[in-house]
Amino acid sequence: DGGITQSPKYLFRKEGQNVTLSCEQNLNHDAMYWYRQDPGQGLRLIYYSQIVNDFQKGDIAEGYSVSREKKESFPLTVTSAQKNPTAFYLCASRDRPHTDTQYFGPGTRLTVL
Amino acid sequence: KQEVTQIPAALSVPEGENLVLNCSFTDSAIYNLQWFRQDPGKGLTSLLLIQSSQREQTSGRLNASLDKSSGRSTLYIAASQPGDSATYLCAVRAQGGSEKLVFGKGTKLTVNP
Repeated sequence: DGGITQSPKYLFRKEGQNVTLSCEQNLNHDAMYWYRQDPGQGLRLIYYSQIVNDFQKGDIAEGYSVSREKKESFPLTVTSAQKNPTAFYLCASRDRPHTDTQYFGPGTRLTVL
Repeated sequence: KQEVTQIPAALSVPEGENLVLNCSFTDSAIYNLQWFRQDPGKGLTSLLLIQSSQREQTSGRLNASLDKSSGRSTLYIAASQPGDSATYLCAVRAQGGSEKLVFGKGTKLTVNP
């Protein structure tokens, strides 16, 4: 059963703490992406990776970090430097270069207490 | 800077009605345009992708058109059903091999039985 999984579904964080959101795919896709979605807003790109051991900043990378040590995994760390981290986080992947379609995971809702 | 606008923000129709969702973008130098569906609290599902050289794409009751010169795309849904109720998002990818998708804020569709 191929797809993208994100965990946890809900995450609560105290101010000043770092948290890591998991994203795993078994689609054998090279490219992976992290987006942030706020109520009433379009998705905004945080980071993306076109291949293992390489990643690039998106439009709102400040306060976030990523790693891409394995093809199937692209974890996102929300650091204490991110001033307003409460949001819905979506991970996606693409079978680059064969298709332009991005496939999305179910999302993680992060709430800062 | 590319901006994507979707009008209306919300739409309510009776079951069986044909409807059109609109998407406009400010920079016509796009590589492709995608329409996505998002159910509440869920990830995105890709519906249709139109390359910049194409005029339309069809999948079942859905038809998406693209007029790149005027910066517009429409998503036509025929014979709407209550199961079509969701938020519909459009996103454009810039020319030049950019990995970034620029999203609109979406149109929330409600189909009433």
